[in-house]
Formats: sequence, C-alpha cells, structure tokens
Amino acid sequence: KAGVTQTPRYLIKTRGQQVTLSCSPISGHRSVSWYQQTPGQGLQFLFEYFSETQRNKGNFPGRFSGRQFSNSRSEMNVSTLELGDSALYLCASSSGQALSGNTIYFGEGSWLTVV
Amino acid sequence: AQSVSQHNHHVILSEAASLELGCNYSYGGTVNLFWYVQYPGQHLQLLLKYFSGDPLVKGIKGFEAEFIKSKFSFNLRKPSVQWSDTAEYFCAVTPGGGSYIPTFGRGTSLIVHP
Repeated sequence: KAGVTQTPRYLIKTRGQQVTLSCSPISGHRSVSWYQQTPGQGLQFLFEYFSETQRNKGNFPGRFSGRQFSNSRSEMNVSTLELGDSALYLCASSSGQALSGNTIYFGEGSWLTVV
Repeated sequence: AQSVSQHNHHVILSEAASLELGCNYSYGGTVNLFWYVQYPGQHLQLLLKYFSGDPLVKGIKGFEAEFIKSKFSFNLRKPSVQWSDTAEYFCAVTPGGGSYIPTFGRGTSLIVHP
C-alpha cells in the first residue's frame, strides 16, 4: 500500500509569509506526527494528532500549528516565517497513538527554504 | 528536560567489522527507546524499539540494542556490518506512560567500505 505522502516536496517562501504543508498518512492510520529536521538542531518533534485531536506537542512557538481532518490527513502551518524555519519537515503516521508503541512510518519530507 | 547523546558522529568501518553505536539519555523516569535509520536517498525508518520486557531488543537487518537502565544507555549493535548498512542512525527517547514527546540524538553517520 502507498506510504506516507507529503506535499509539496520543495518550496521557497519569503520571511513573514506563512506556509501550509500537507501529509496523507498510510491508509488506515489514524495518528500523524510532525517533525522538523535542521543541520543546527537536528530532528525535533513538533506535534502529534490522533482522531483529529492534538495529543502531544513539542517545544515550538505558537507560530507552528497543525490540524487533522476526519480522513486522517493532516496539515501543519507556520506563520510569520523566519529564516530559521528553513528545514526539512517530516510527517509520520501510525495505526494507533505513538505512545502505545505503534510503529511510525515516515514520509520523504517537505523541504522549506525561507529567504 | 530529557536529552539524548550519541557520542559517535561519524563511524567508518570495513565490511564484516562489528558495530556498536552509543546512545545515552538523561531522563529520570520510565522511558521508551528507539533507533531509526535513514539510508541514502530513503526516508527515516524504525530499526528497533524498546518499551518494556527483555532489555535486549532485536530489530530488522540483524541489528540489536541493549537497554541498560543503570547506565541510561541504549547502544545499537551489529556483529558484522555490510556495505548496505551505510546510513545515518538516530537514537530517540520518549517518556514512558501517557505521553509521546520524543527527543532525538544528533545522529551517527556510518560508512561501511566494501
């Protein structure tokens, strides 16, 4: 079956703009989690959604937000972009909540460059 | 706050050599532990995980890791590496119990020469 699909794969935005990234989980998966990967900070957890509710949140400012739809697809939004938001944004899905030990499957990521 | 330390940033081995990648974490409570791998051009995938039970965990592709609670460590091992094991390896920890807020190590780049 199809894996985790993230769109767009690459995008360039200007400081101050906002961006929305999309994630389609593996069919049947109800949990979606988001991560930011940068050379400076490494891989960091953003948040997890399960059944349309945010279940866990990492240590990121309120400019980073997300949501999950009834079909489990998820979007994350970053407002008022800063240069430091340039990163690879990874989405992962699992059948159940990640805290329950369900294996998570990552997508290929969305590369965001802020200029 | 929890933290994860991977001591080896770059490791270079020849095929058939044994591998051990270190991972130490700082967190006082119950933890769940993971090793992820990212092969060149591929996405991140789970190698193995520890939630409870036997502290020696076996994962895919012949990898194993041992949770030593007293040392706050979860080292990854493989007795004989192959060229195809060339990849970036990430250790991660999340508090046990009712939350999933993983903290990742900075990663170890492994290059295996044929």
